[in-house]
Amino acid sequence: GQQLNQSPQSMFIQEGEDVSMNCTSSSIFNTWLWYKQEPGEGPVLLIALYKAGELTSNGRLTAQFGITRKDSFLNISASIPSDVGIYFCAGQPRSGGSNYKLTFGKGTLLTVNP
Amino acid sequence: NAGVTQTPKFQVLKTGQSMTLQCAQDMNHEYMSWYRQDPGMGLRLIHYSVGAGITDQGEVPNGYNVSRSTTEDFPLRLLSAAPSQTSVYFCASSYRGLNYEQYFGPGTRLTVT
Repeated sequence: GQQLNQSPQSMFIQEGEDVSMNCTSSSIFNTWLWYKQEPGEGPVLLIALYKAGELTSNGRLTAQFGITRKDSFLNISASIPSDVGIYFCAGQPRSGGSNYKLTFGKGTLLTVNP
Repeated sequence: NAGVTQTPKFQVLKTGQSMTLQCAQDMNHEYMSWYRQDPGMGLRLIHYSVGAGITDQGEVPNGYNVSRSTTEDFPLRLLSAAPSQTSVYFCASSYRGLNYEQYFGPGTRLTVT
């Protein structure tokens, strides 16, 4: 099936620093989503992207749908301790058959040092 | 709205036992799905449903059954638990018009000994 390569696998940063993470695929995706998961909780949707080149912000978070439709980026500016968690990318591949199936990356574990 | 709810929060089973993980949503979402999350594996789709009476298999369906008799509920059944089914299970739902914006429940942590 479709696979998403998410990087980096983990990040350890100081409070106030900016963060960047990305997802890439060998296939074209129609939709990119970014989720955050905190310990003991389910993933929470942060940003949804539907058009190639689209740039969308949600507070200090900004995500972009790559022009090639094969990648997406998530940036977090001025990180704070509550940004700690696992960030997942997810996508709906163009050739995925059912419109309902999402493919998930393996996540980026973010640790913020106060 | 309560959103997506899951019960139980934690469960320990012995190999061969059966059980049902419950999932309910009060948002009138047509689409519901079950995922399992294992360390380093991300989220993998087990089964999904696009409406009452309609279900289909995902990426890892073996050992699990589902049914969808109402819009609100989507239970996941383990017929004969195996240690390989030790995992955290998440239920998710979405509107048909926004298929990709899935909303997740808090999860069920299952241990099979």
